[in-house]
Amino acid sequence: GEDVEQSLFLSVREGDSSVINCTYTDSSSTYLYWYKQEPGAGLQLLTYIFSNMDMKQDQRLTVLLNKKDKHLSLRIADTQTGDSAIYFCAEIPMDSSYKLIFGSGTRLLVRP
Amino acid sequence: GAVVSQHPSWVICKSGTSVKIECRSLDFQATTMFWYRQFPKKSLMLMATSNEGSKATYEQGVEKDKFLINHASLTLSTLTVTSAHPEDSSFYICSAEGQGLFEAFFGQGTRLTVV
Repeated sequence: GEDVEQSLFLSVREGDSSVINCTYTDSSSTYLYWYKQEPGAGLQLLTYIFSNMDMKQDQRLTVLLNKKDKHLSLRIADTQTGDSAIYFCAEIPMDSSYKLIFGSGTRLLVRP
Repeated sequence: GAVVSQHPSWVICKSGTSVKIECRSLDFQATTMFWYRQFPKKSLMLMATSNEGSKATYEQGVEKDKFLINHASLTLSTLTVTSAHPEDSSFYICSAEGQGLFEAFFGQGTRLTVV
């Protein structure tokens, strides 16, 4: 079945790096995504990675994909207070007609 | 990027009344729209998928008669929560996908509170 898991909470100090982890079950997933949700708001796509890639870097964001272990991570360098939000990983299984399967979300708290 | 507008952003209604939430794609034609519900401290759960001009496909456990979805045009989908009850209070989010667009774009969400 389709299942995406994340740890629920992460607290870091401003300026440190944050690493948010995600595991997924469907090995057929072609795209994997990271979304950010700020309080009371919709979701904002942060970045995505194709399943044939191991790593993608986009400014302060680094996505690592370990297909063997079905593990996805998002690293935020130089974390700022404005990065405090809930981060969702999501996958699109091959046969889902673009139906996103979301993880439970990780609440990131950045302490001054 | 493409813009999806969801309205209203919040609504409070009395138990037993119906509430309509609109989801509009402002600068692209949305062939498919998705409706999600988010429970406090939980992830988004897909409720239904709607394609323009056809009936919505509901996920298992979602009551079709309770959550009416209409995708009458390529730029508008509506979700009507009928005979709302306090347990329907939640954050509802729509997303839209258009032909040729790589990603689905999300609306701002609607916080529904039923009192």
